[in-house]
Amino acid sequence: AQSVSQHNHHVILSEAASLELGCNYSYGGTVNLFWYVQYPGQHLQLLLKYFSGDPLVKGIKGFEAEFIKSKFSFNLRKPSVQWSDTAEYFCAVTREYGNKLVFGAGTILRVKS
Amino acid sequence: EPEVTQTPSHQVTQMGQEVILRCVPISNHLYFYWYRQILGQKVEFLVSFYNNEISEKSEIFDDQFSVERPDGSNFTLKIRSTKLEDSAMYFCASSLGRVALYGYTFGSGTRLTVV
Repeated sequence: AQSVSQHNHHVILSEAASLELGCNYSYGGTVNLFWYVQYPGQHLQLLLKYFSGDPLVKGIKGFEAEFIKSKFSFNLRKPSVQWSDTAEYFCAVTREYGNKLVFGAGTILRVKS
Repeated sequence: EPEVTQTPSHQVTQMGQEVILRCVPISNHLYFYWYRQILGQKVEFLVSFYNNEISEKSEIFDDQFSVERPDGSNFTLKIRSTKLEDSAMYFCASSLGRVALYGYTFGSGTRLTVV
């Protein structure tokens, strides 16, 4: 069965700091990978996804993620965070062409202004 | 931007009662899902629904749970006899096609509290 690990449950950064949130998955076959964000009081929104091709994926709001197959990782990055990035971030995986998302536990990011 | 709408946003029910959580997916979407998140835990898959039938369900989705798309626009999750451990945030989602290609659009969730 697939599983997803997110390394940090809480991250606190100052504005303009760089962000990297770790995500590792366990699954032996081909996967599709996602990062979702949940702003306070709002629904889960798709930040970016990896389907195939270039392992460096760019998403909305300046976020990007890199798929490293050999490390089973899909880390989320942003060079300079803003206060408005305060949210909970979820990494998720599905097997190739699958429909069921398996989520990590989430990372709560707080950006201090 | 089209939205997935869930009602109610918060429901409190007594243990043993039946509850129906309602969702209106995006109108041209074909795949529908329920997920739940118990406080402090991971978002967990419950069930997927396509072509008027369940396409996949988790072991959480036992005989107490059922889903229905009664009228072509609503998508409901029924819990027949609620237990305390059913207290969670329930998210509905829909997608146009395979999630790998299209991703999901999630609703804002219904917080179910069983007392």
